[in-house]
Amino acid sequence: EVALTQSPATLSLSPGERATLSCRASQTISSDLAWYQQKPGQAPRLLIYGASNRATGIPARFLGSGSGTDFTLTISSLESEDFAVYYCQQRSSFSWTFGQGTKVEIK
Amino acid sequence: VQLQESGPGLVKPSGTLSLSCYVSGDTISSTFWWSWVRQAPGRGLEWIGEIYHVGITDYNPSLKSRVTMSVDKSTNQFSLKLNSVTAADTAVYFCARGIRYPPRFDYWGRGTLVTVSS
Repeated sequence: EVALTQSPATLSLSPGERATLSCRASQTISSDLAWYQQKPGQAPRLLIYGASNRATGIPARFLGSGSGTDFTLTISSLESEDFAVYYCQQRSSFSWTFGQGTKVEIK
Repeated sequence: VQLQESGPGLVKPSGTLSLSCYVSGDTISSTFWWSWVRQAPGRGLEWIGEIYHVGITDYNPSLKSRVTMSVDKSTNQFSLKLNSVTAADTAVYFCARGIRYPPRFDYWGRGTLVTVSS
């Protein structure tokens, strides 16, 4: 089973700042990585798939990059609605796994 | 596309958790896979399992011995059964639509809280 490790656990930033979130896979997964945003009391929302493809309706300030084992989600300029928890996800060997999440909080 | 979970919000320890997910705006017999994901209070996301409309299933190895999933094409629903539950199974349970390639869950239900308690 492929494990995903996200860092940092918490990111404290101000609106307008750049957020850089990391996700590392325990084995190479090509570009088969997705990112989700989750706000309290809500279901996760798909942001990025295939490591760098924005899902429908996702603003251009969300950028995904990486391949192999190292992936990054960048939010170029934080808006107030971007403060949330972010998860990466992969599928391999008939199983899906999620990272443990990165919380982006207001500084 | 919308997904809606339903089922009891309270299950007794050692009992069976049973949930259904109603799919609207799509047919459960389409080319997608249908998953269950749970989230314990204050914790991260845990994939439980998935099913394809012909009955093919994949389960999380850590839960495999206790999980059964099924599809009901007549009502456009899929279901989850988790037996021998304990307090550790208390969580919000989400259903989701999965795409194999590039892999992702593009639609999710709102989630339903299931508490395991006597």
